[in-house]
Amino acid sequence: AQSVTQPDIHITVSEGASLELRCNYSYGATPYLFWYVQSPGQGLQLLLKYFSGDTLVQGIKGFEAEFKRSQSSFNLRKPSVHWSDAAEYFCAAPTGANNLFFGTGTRLTVIP
Amino acid sequence: NAGVTQTPKFQVLKTGQSMTLQCAQDMNHEYMSWYRQDPGMGLRLIHYSVGAGITDQGEVPNGYNVSRSTTEDFPLRLLSAAPSQTSVYFCASNSLDLGKDGYTFGSGTRLTVV
Repeated sequence: AQSVTQPDIHITVSEGASLELRCNYSYGATPYLFWYVQSPGQGLQLLLKYFSGDTLVQGIKGFEAEFKRSQSSFNLRKPSVHWSDAAEYFCAAPTGANNLFFGTGTRLTVIP
Repeated sequence: NAGVTQTPKFQVLKTGQSMTLQCAQDMNHEYMSWYRQDPGMGLRLIHYSVGAGITDQGEVPNGYNVSRSTTEDFPLRLLSAAPSQTSVYFCASNSLDLGKDGYTFGSGTRLTVV
């Protein structure tokens, strides 16, 4: 079955440090892939999406993600984390019925 | 502003009560769906619809009913609420062409069943 997995439940980084959140996918064809962010008590905000073409995708808030077919990965990165980036991050991909399948999420804590 | 509107934002129910979570979109999207979010489990699909009059079950459909009489509306019904349905519920819509609009989510409904 098509799916995405996020191996890291919780990550802690210092403010100003770089960040990489992992997402692995299991799809036969080239998938569409999304990253969402959810601040505490808030809804989902789209950070970026990959449909095709350039494998390095730029998103909002200084985030980027790279699609690597050889590693079945779509990891989210940010060169310098800000305290306001503390949130939960979800990787997701459409199923055959065009609904989104979400990973279980990675909670990011930022230490001052 | 165009988007997905969910009501109510918060709700407390007693076990056995029924209620309907409302979801409306004004983007003329064909697809609409309901998810529930629980800690450590991400968002899981409850029910979805690919057009007016057409609905189908997702990963966790038990205890929920849906209908889609119009393109705009996709209500989620809890017929007899149970504490296990305490969750945050999100409605989403998307067009057939994902490259056009992607997915649009409502702001969520936080439901507590006591």
